[in-house]
Order: sequence, then structure tokens, then C-alpha cells
Amino acid sequence: QQKVQQSPESLTVSEGAMASLNCTFSDGTSDNFRWYRQHSGKGLEVLVSIFSDGEKEEGRFTAHLNRASLHVSLHIREPQPSDSAVYLCAKSNTGYQNFYFGKGTSLTVIP
Amino acid sequence: DAGVTQTPRHEVAEKGQTIILKCEPVSGHNDLFWYRQTKIQGLELLSYFRSKSLMEDGGAFKDRFKAEMLNSSFSTLKIQPTEPKDSAVYLCASSLFQQDTQYFGPGTRLLVL
Repeated sequence: QQKVQQSPESLTVSEGAMASLNCTFSDGTSDNFRWYRQHSGKGLEVLVSIFSDGEKEEGRFTAHLNRASLHVSLHIREPQPSDSAVYLCAKSNTGYQNFYFGKGTSLTVIP
Repeated sequence: DAGVTQTPRHEVAEKGQTIILKCEPVSGHNDLFWYRQTKIQGLELLSYFRSKSLMEDGGAFKDRFKAEMLNSSFSTLKIQPTEPKDSAVYLCASSLFQQDTQYFGPGTRLLVL
């Protein structure tokens, strides 16, 4: 049973248009969430960490967390072709031994 | 600014061989993680060390996978014996403390024939 599910699997947007990615989880009363980006052949790069309901902004990346609806999203403002990558959502509980990743959303930004 | 380093970047092994992957975490970080990444399963946690103590041994991966942290700046992941289904990217990550952000290495791409 997948504890973290991401949608869509792939997304294509034009340069400058907002990109929105979604992540739903099975339970999250005490979980923390992070969004990572992975360019092809590279490791993961953290974008945003969010620990409480509401919004967290890091540059062009904004995460929204709603624990009641078991949902966390990532919005990318003014995406550029260099943002083309796989975006991964991850959740960890306070014990930290359980750390789950979604399978990712492949984003393509076309000029 | 040294991040997480992993060697080798690519490895090709015959079925049944023993392979050892290496990882150097960010200097000063206390937590170290090994993950396996495949298209089908995504990222799966293999091992987790806190201050060199093994906290999580990956459950289903225990039989052929063994991670060790010989000192605070070096870890190995041994796969013995390798099977074709082990073909994947193996990622190492480190973090300063519990709940802190994990910093990932570039990974080792393993192909088992």
C-alpha cells in the first residue's frame, strides 16, 4: 500500500505558466513533508520543507499543506526549461524511521 | 563545499557477484541513509544510521543487503550475492539531525547481468 501518491505522473507546461503538482498521503497527523527535485542522472535536491498546515514559500516554489484533506501541493511560479525534472514528495513521521517517497511527477517545461 | 559523494557512479556486475558501494556524507552530519530507486517502486529505504548506529535495516532487504558505517565519514553498502532484480540506482543521503533535510549524493547506477 503506497503511503504517498503523486499526481499527475507527468506534466508539460509552457515557460512562464504556473505548474501545480499534487501529493496525497494515507495519514499525516504528525508527519512532516518535503518536496525534492531530481534532474536526470542526479541526486535529489530539496526545494521546500513544510511542517504545519498552510503555505511555505521558497523562491519560486510554494508548498501548501492541508492535513485534514491529506494533501500537500507544490506550485512552481514562472517555470523555466531548467526546471524540467522529476519532482518527489516525501513524508516522515516524528520517529523518522519511517520515511516515504512518492514515485514522482515528471515535469517538462517547454520554451 | 563538499556534499554527499558516492562511488562508483556506475557499476556492472554478473549475477552472483559481490559488490560494494561507497558513500561519504556531508561533514558533520549525524544521520546517513541508503535508498534504492527504481521506476516501478520509486525510492525505498534500505538502511538508516544515526551517529553510526543502525536504526533501520530495511526489512525485506536484510538478507542480501548489508550497510555499514565504519566511521562518521564513510559508509558502505554490500550486496551479496547480486541478482538482476537489484539493477537500480542506489542513493546515499545524510542529514544533520533527526527531522532535518536530507542531502543526497548523485547515486550509483547498478546493472546486474
